Amino acid sequence: GAVVSQHPSWVICKSGTSVKIECRSLDFQATTMFWYRQFPKQSLMLMATSNEGSKATYEQGVEKDKFLINHASLTLSTLTVTSAHPEDSSFYICSARTWGGSNSPLHFGNGTRLTVT
Amino acid sequence: QKEVEQNSGPLSVPEGAIASLNCTYSDRGSQSFFWYRQYSGKSPELIMFIYSNGDKEDGRFTAQLNKASQYVSLLIRDSQPSDSATYLCAVTFGNEKLTFGTGTRLTIIP
Repeated sequence: GAVVSQHPSWVICKSGTSVKIECRSLDFQATTMFWYRQFPKQSLMLMATSNEGSKATYEQGVEKDKFLINHASLTLSTLTVTSAHPEDSSFYICSARTWGGSNSPLHFGNGTRLTVT
Repeated sequence: QKEVEQNSGPLSVPEGAIASLNCTYSDRGSQSFFWYRQYSGKSPELIMFIYSNGDKEDGRFTAQLNKASQYVSLLIRDSQPSDSATYLCAVTFGNEKLTFGTGTRLTIIP
């Protein structure tokens, strides 16, 4: 069964509004979660690393003021897309490691398909 | 720039045959290698991971790693139509971040 739960699965919003996506680790604690974005027919691109109790680390080119990440507990990280625009329409996927250190595999949530109209 | 390269395909394989998927990476110091399968519209799911040179087998899947050649492959034996998907190679470049290739689209022909 799923070890990382993501909600909602899909969302449609109007341009200029904000959307919050939740990512929960099930039955394990995740001090670190990773947020990826995937545009159609492209690979996954890491947006940011979410750290419990501290600020997220954003990849180059990702606007931290636009993509707000909060990792307030060991089982929940949220990504808020603020003032969304049509070019933010994408597939957003969170992930976490269920065991081991930095070399262990990532497990992904089911993803959130965001459409901005 | 750390890179992971895959042939985008599509790769078509008859049902029951062996599908061979290849991946090269740019950093000789890479330590961890992963294969994910992604169905259209879905998130990636882990198939296998490999850390050491050589082969690692899990059911119909075999991962092969050659660090000297900076090459990792995935073999799928007795291919089934349900194996039709995009296969993503991912590498950890000395930190905890995972870098993905662009993926190879595999189609199993009944």
